[in-house]
Amino acid sequence: DVKVTQSSRYLVKRTGEKVFLECVQDMDHENMFWYRQDPGLGLRLIYFSYDVKMKEKGDIPEGYSVSREKKERFSLILESASTNQTSMYLCASSLPGQGTYEQYFGPGTRLTVT
Amino acid sequence: QKEVEQDPGPLSVPEGAIVSLNCTYSNSAFQYFMWYRQYSRKGPELLMYTYSSGNKEDGRFTAQVDKSSKYISLFIRDSQPSDSATYLCAMSKGGSYIPTFGRGTSLIVHP
Repeated sequence: DVKVTQSSRYLVKRTGEKVFLECVQDMDHENMFWYRQDPGLGLRLIYFSYDVKMKEKGDIPEGYSVSREKKERFSLILESASTNQTSMYLCASSLPGQGTYEQYFGPGTRLTVT
Repeated sequence: QKEVEQDPGPLSVPEGAIVSLNCTYSNSAFQYFMWYRQYSRKGPELLMYTYSSGNKEDGRFTAQVDKSSKYISLFIRDSQPSDSATYLCAMSKGGSYIPTFGRGTSLIVHP
């Protein structure tokens, strides 16, 4: 079974802190994604990566950056956390060339910024 | 107007009911249609997918796509309390690996 793991289930940080969210997948997937999920707004794509060291902005990249140094690992960085970044963060991975019909999601990290 | 519209609910039904969950979309380029289920405090997991129009059945679940009306549905027969979750529709264009998600419908099946 594909497994996507995220470094923390719950995280509390202070405004202005630099925050790292880590995601690891074990199925050699090329594509990896970071979403945030908020009530009433659904899933919004922050960044995605289709290869090592490659990254593309999603719909809401402001205030975030990403790093993909190894195929299995995709990190989301909040350079200076703000209260409006309090959210559920979901990482996902998928294989290319299959019509994107399946993304595998991690369990999510619920981040609270105070 | 969002590309994919989905009523957030909640939809509350008694155990054993037939549930109908729906999404409408505006982009005729969508070819792949998916339904994800998300339990509380978990990540979404793929439930069903279909390519282009038609029906697909898997146990108690049936996915239906009507491209002429830009409308997709997920039917759940003999609903169970364990079906209580948020159901997200998603769709993507051919050649794209970035799906567009609906906002999700919260389903509550009460005993």
